[in-house]
Amino acid sequence: GESVGLHLPTLSVQEGDNSIINCAYSNSASDYFIWYKQESGKGPQFIIDIRSNMDKRQGQRVTVLLNKTVKHLSLQIAATQPGDSAVYFCAENIDAGGTSYGKLTFGQGTILTVHP
Amino acid sequence: GAGVSQTPSNKVTEKGKYVELRCDPISGHTALYWYRQSLGQGPEFLIYFQGTGAADDSGLPNDRFFAVRPEGSVSTLKIQRTERGDSAVYLCASSPTTFSDTQYFGPGTRLTVL
Repeated sequence: GESVGLHLPTLSVQEGDNSIINCAYSNSASDYFIWYKQESGKGPQFIIDIRSNMDKRQGQRVTVLLNKTVKHLSLQIAATQPGDSAVYFCAENIDAGGTSYGKLTFGQGTILTVHP
Repeated sequence: GAGVSQTPSNKVTEKGKYVELRCDPISGHTALYWYRQSLGQGPEFLIYFQGTGAADDSGLPNDRFFAVRPEGSVSTLKIQRTERGDSAVYLCASSPTTFSDTQYFGPGTRLTVL
């Protein structure tokens, strides 16, 4: 069935370290993947996205890697800062027939804690 | 610029009551989405609108839930005969079109049913 899940529910790192958050998905028809950051009491905030025709995409301090062979997605945060502490969700979207319907399926989330 | 706004930020109601939750999307965004988030979980899709029409309401849990977007901008999620299991954070998101996949979320409305 369709599902998006995370390997590690919690991740604790020291300030300045690099962080890697992992996500597994089961639907091979998924076309588009997004990482969101959610701080306490706030809505999810878009971080970075990647389409299925790519295997890597970089943003500011963040990189998303997509391995379609094993249906695995990861978010790498360089030089993690205390302000990066939040819950991180991966989400997938299935593009049916070339028309994205916009319906996102979210994973459970990983809690990232950055210690000063 | 202004993001997605939702009101109220918190709503406490009694079991059996009717509630309305409001979402103001980003100006010009034609697609609007409602999600529900339970504690410790990721958001779950409820319904999305393209313009005034509900393009996909497959996530609505039952017929007590209904949403409208009469003028293609503001949307209202309506819940009748609320149950304790309806307690959650209700999130709204918008995107320029359904073909533009980046969804921008509002802060959510925390609904508590006593």
